[in-house]
Amino acid sequence: DQQVKQNSPSLSVQEGRISILNCDYTNSMFDYFLWYKKYPAEGPTFLISISSIKDKNEDGRFTVFLNKSAKHLSLHIVPSQPGDSAVYFCAAGYNFNKFYFGSGTKLNVKP
Amino acid sequence: DTGVSQDPRHKITKRGQNVTFRCDPISEHNRLYWYRQTLGQGPEFLTYFQNEAQLEKSRLLSDRFSAERPKGSFSTLEIQRTEQGDSAMYLCASGGASSYNEQFFGPGTRLTVL
Repeated sequence: DQQVKQNSPSLSVQEGRISILNCDYTNSMFDYFLWYKKYPAEGPTFLISISSIKDKNEDGRFTVFLNKSAKHLSLHIVPSQPGDSAVYFCAAGYNFNKFYFGSGTKLNVKP
Repeated sequence: DTGVSQDPRHKITKRGQNVTFRCDPISEHNRLYWYRQTLGQGPEFLTYFQNEAQLEKSRLLSDRFSAERPKGSFSTLEIQRTEQGDSAMYLCASGGASSYNEQFFGPGTRLTVL
């Protein structure tokens, strides 16, 4: 029962361009969404989050968009840098109790 | 505070043995989560503590798995009679009132069951 899906296992982008990572969810009760970045041999690192009462949250080069009607969120990275190359996970949850993660998208930013 | 720490970082065991992992969360955090991650997948929720109370437990967690957080600080995850299918990365995360829904992950414990 995969409630959060990341349908693109990988994405390749040129340095300086925009990276757009997508995530879909099925449970309309989710009220909080997070994006994490993960390097090999490390735990996931928190990037940015958004509450269901918003449709956009911005932090520097990172912007998360939430479309509740479509049950879809996306992470935009502008401009992309080689150091952004990592696996990105989206997660969704409600009431703090548990979070469901997607299977990840591996981003490769080419110099 | 240096963040969430986990011990050991790696554990190799034989099938049928018991193993115990430890997680030390960020000191002021009252929420603590355990996840399991296998290759090519995202973290899979196992259990959640608020202070010392275990409030949520995944139905995927068999009775061979038990977690404790006796004083609301560090937590342990024990797996009894390990099976090869238990081989995975076990991740701990913590969060506090000031961090809202955010969770901060430790480096994980890599378990290999032979």
